[in-house]
Parts: sequence; structure tokens; C-alpha cells
Amino acid sequence: DSGVTQTPKHLITATGQRVTLRCSPRSGDLSVYWYQQSLDQGLQFLIQYYNGEERAKGNILERFSAQQFPDLHSELNLSSLELGDSALYFCASSVAAGQFAGELFFGEGSRLTVL
Amino acid sequence: AQKITQTQPGMFVQEKEAVTLDCTYDTSDPSYGLFWYKQPSSGEMIFLIYQGSYDQQNATEGRYSLNFQKARKSANLVISASQLGDSAMYFCAMREGISSGSARQLTFGSGTQLTVLP
Repeated sequence: DSGVTQTPKHLITATGQRVTLRCSPRSGDLSVYWYQQSLDQGLQFLIQYYNGEERAKGNILERFSAQQFPDLHSELNLSSLELGDSALYFCASSVAAGQFAGELFFGEGSRLTVL
Repeated sequence: AQKITQTQPGMFVQEKEAVTLDCTYDTSDPSYGLFWYKQPSSGEMIFLIYQGSYDQQNATEGRYSLNFQKARKSANLVISASQLGDSAMYFCAMREGISSGSARQLTFGSGTQLTVLP
């Protein structure tokens, strides 16, 4: 158990819909990262938050947005869903963003299926 | 350009034998970290081993060791005495900007699917 909690574990929805994925980082970790893992794109970095502020942005679509709340949990919002958004979405956390803090600790992922 | 390259989409190894999973990387940052993660069929990402760019010795963690060749920009994972439970996808990853105080996100390779045969 990495200490990172993601909900829901599985989600099935239809094209055009909107979903929210939730992540609780390890206790004490200030930095949260979101990754998308699909068969054709591999593990792609989406976005990073540190202590409530956006720190880095990767290949995140405009239809996607995220935020980190004062209690440090994070949510990833996916809207106007398309078939190609079907993927495993990972949240990871680490102690700090600026300092090297070792590995990222990953949650078990949220598997999104868009029909 | 790919920052992390894993050229072996799939590998097979006999139980109890050693196996090497290849990883090459590309960076101009002098301060970086290299990581290996294991992803079993259940999907979770499990951290295995870390090597810092300034580390003098190759990292080892139990049956895992990292063959770090800085000049060649390679960071191969060696698994000794393979077990059936080692069957999984293995990802090499890099984190740049470590000592500058702006360590960035992990960038992953495409992975190697390892199958351990009984």
C-alpha cells in the first residue's frame, strides 16, 4: 500500500459526459501528479500541483482540468469525454516539488472506460 | 526526441535465471535521477530502485540492481534469480532538475513486458 488513495477504481461512462477522479496523497506529501496510461500513448504526464498551486503541465487536454484543495487532496476533471479518453489515470505524490524527494508514490489508478 | 527509451517490448526469462532490462536516456541536465517501476497485471505502479546521476556506485535493492553507465546514458535493470511473481511490465523513468531545486515530474519509457517461465 503506497498510501495514495484514488477513487473511483473503475468508471464506465458515455461519450460527451463529465467525470471527476479523486486523489488523496500520502500523509505529509505536498505534491500531486496526474498521469494517463493508455495502450497507445504509454504513461503520459498530465499535470502537477504543489501545495495547492499548479507547478507543471504536461500533455493535458483543454477538456481536462485539475485542482488541489487546501487539505491537499486533488481532483482531475474530464469533460466532453471521447472514446480515446479511455485509460488508466494515476495519481502520484511526493513530499516536495522543488527538492529531490525520491520516488513518486502511485495510487492504484482509476480505470475509465468511455463507451 | 525520446527522453527514455526501452527497446525491448517483451522479454522472457527462465525461473531462477537473471535478466537484464535495457533503458537509455537523454538529458542535458547534469542532475537527474533514474527510477525503475514494476506494474503487475493488477495495475499498480511499484517503485523498485533509484540511481542518482552523481551516485558513484550502482544501486542495489535485494534482487534488483541498476547497471548505470553514465557515459553511455544507460540505466539497465538487472533482476537476479527471477521468480514467477516478477512477471510484469517494467518501466524506466527519469526525473530531471534534482539539485537545482526544481525537480520535475517523472518521464517514463514505453515499458518492457517481462514473462518468467517455470
